[in-house]
Amino acid sequence: RKEVEQDPGPFNVPEGATVAFNCTYSNSASQSFFWYRQDCRKEPKLLMSVYSSGNEDGRFTAQLNRASQYISLLIRDSKLSDSATYLCVVKDTGRRALTFGSGTRLQVQP
Amino acid sequence: SAVISQKPSRDICQRGTSLTIQCQVDSQVTMMFWYRQQPGQSLTLIATANQGSEATYESGFVIDKFPISRPNLTFSTLTVSNMSPEDSSIYLCSVDAGQALMNTEAFFGQGTRLTVV
Repeated sequence: RKEVEQDPGPFNVPEGATVAFNCTYSNSASQSFFWYRQDCRKEPKLLMSVYSSGNEDGRFTAQLNRASQYISLLIRDSKLSDSATYLCVVKDTGRRALTFGSGTRLQVQP
Repeated sequence: SAVISQKPSRDICQRGTSLTIQCQVDSQVTMMFWYRQQPGQSLTLIATANQGSEATYESGFVIDKFPISRPNLTFSTLTVSNMSPEDSSIYLCSVDAGQALMNTEAFFGQGTRLTVV
């Protein structure tokens, strides 16, 4: 079983749609959670951290359920520029390196 | 934040040769990380490069194949040795944003796209 599992995608949605990505992690000792965005042929960049109480940044909302070891990302009012691969990322206790999910590809269409 | 300059950005190499990838950070960092991203896959940690000590390798990666240097707090190299087509991948270096262990942003170099023929 992979340490971090994500919806395989790809998700093809029209502009303005709401789309949700899910992620589960296997290590209950994981302490930090993130969503990264990776554009084609580019390096990953932080989209947002995920906090226990859930957090929102504009059109993006992240949720964490520690009991279920589940993380989600909701994107409202999708824009063409949201097209990218979204990586679910965890950091385990005592480690500074990151563990990445396989990524979910989003294609927003006009 | 941290700015990382990674080079080369891409290379095409003959099998059996070696390639050294360099990463330069604009600030001093304790740890640097080297990842591999195979075609269509996500990032896999190769090793953690510590200044002043041996790199720590993840399962499946060995020093003879991926020797790492960390001569100071702003620079590291990863060598891909005795390359085969299976080593064709994107290699990325990364650093933490700060000294705190948790909830710190990671920054990445632009990546090195390696093709072995």
